[in-house]
This record gives sequence, C-alpha cells and structure tokens, in this order.
Amino acid sequence: NAGVTQTPKFQVLKTGQSMTLQCAQDMNHEYMSWYRQDPGMGLRLIHYSVGAGITDQGEVPNGYNVSRSTTEDFPLRLLSAAPSQTSVYFCASSYGRPGGKNIQYFGAGTRLSVL
Amino acid sequence: AQSVTQLGSHVSVSEGALVLLRCNYSSSVPPYLFWYVQYPNQGLQLLLKYTSAATLVKGINGFEAEFKKSETSFHLTKPSAHMSDAAEYFCAVSQSFQGAQKLVFGQGTRLTINP
Repeated sequence: NAGVTQTPKFQVLKTGQSMTLQCAQDMNHEYMSWYRQDPGMGLRLIHYSVGAGITDQGEVPNGYNVSRSTTEDFPLRLLSAAPSQTSVYFCASSYGRPGGKNIQYFGAGTRLSVL
Repeated sequence: AQSVTQLGSHVSVSEGALVLLRCNYSSSVPPYLFWYVQYPNQGLQLLLKYTSAATLVKGINGFEAEFKKSETSFHLTKPSAHMSDAAEYFCAVSQSFQGAQKLVFGQGTRLTINP
C-alpha cells in the first residue's frame, strides 16, 4: 500500500521556469490538499480539492495552479517560479474533509529550491 | 478562527528523561486536535488525535496528550525519551475554511535527544 506518493523528491529551478509537482494516492480518498512548509511557520494550505473536478484556494494560492481530473492525482503547477517559492511541499489526502475521524495522510514531500 | 501556538521551537532532553512538548489552542467551538511527527526527510505522520472522547489520548510510540479545556492546552508527553524520538513535532487544530475543513498547524517543535 503506497499511500501518498510525491515526485520528485528534490528539484532546483531557475527564476521564471515552470514545473509540476506530482501527487498520487491509492486510498480512494476524496479530499486532497497541498501545503508548503517554511521554517518557523508550520504548514500553510496552498490549494485543496474535495473531489475530482473540484478545487479551491487555500491560504497562500498565488503563483500556483491545481487541477483534479481523477480521484487519484492532484498535481501542483508553478507557472513562473520565484525565489519566494523555495520551500518544502507536502501533499495530503483524507477520506473526507480533515478533522474529526478523517485523518490526513501526508506524502514524503518535495524539496524545491528556486535560484 | 482557530489557531495553535507551540511553546518552544527547540526542546532538548536526555535519553530516558520526560518529554514535554507544549501546545495551546484558541477555538470558539470544541476543537479537534492533532499531533503529527516529522522524522528527517520524511512526511508527517499522525501521532494521536483528540475528538472529544477521552481527554487523555494515547498515541503511537508511547506518546500521549491531555486535553485541558480550562487551560486551552493539548501538551504532548512521553515518560522516557528514546534516541529514535528525535524529530519535529507539530500540533494542529481542525478549522472550518470556506465551507470545508482544513488543518491549522503550529510552528513546530524540534526535539533533540542527548545520549
């Protein structure tokens, strides 16, 4: 059982480049989300999805796009990378909306550096 | 809006000593509270959660946390630290967000175990 799989694990970009961070889960979870983790700031929600075809913005959505064409996959796109997007990115999924009985499961993270 | 404050960004204890990681929350409604652990270069793993059942919650790896409404606290403890407990620990509260639910994380506490 793979759980939540993120690729790549590490990435270095130049300012202005675009890339897609991949996230896949094999638990048939409806709810998926992307967080970024920065030192001393905990995890902040970027975008989330409550099901295939439905996405919405989180706390820090600027500079990121998402789509959810299937239940399994929830890619995060950086349209034009900026140094401020240097961070560790985590994808998470849960059966329903997180909280209560719905535990969020996290991937191992993608460490992104933008030069 | 719910929020979480973790007191102490770094905590260092000796192997075999008591571990105490502090978490205070603010919430206008009975909260769902969580502790996650992040080992080096890994994703977040759920340690335990409080969902308004027993106030003393037992988690994995010998950790437990006590919900104290009067103190708005949810401190994490372990009677005897082990070297393998060295990690970063995050307290989180479930919060309503734009009609959905999300987890609000504290800033994290890095636990170091001294031999």
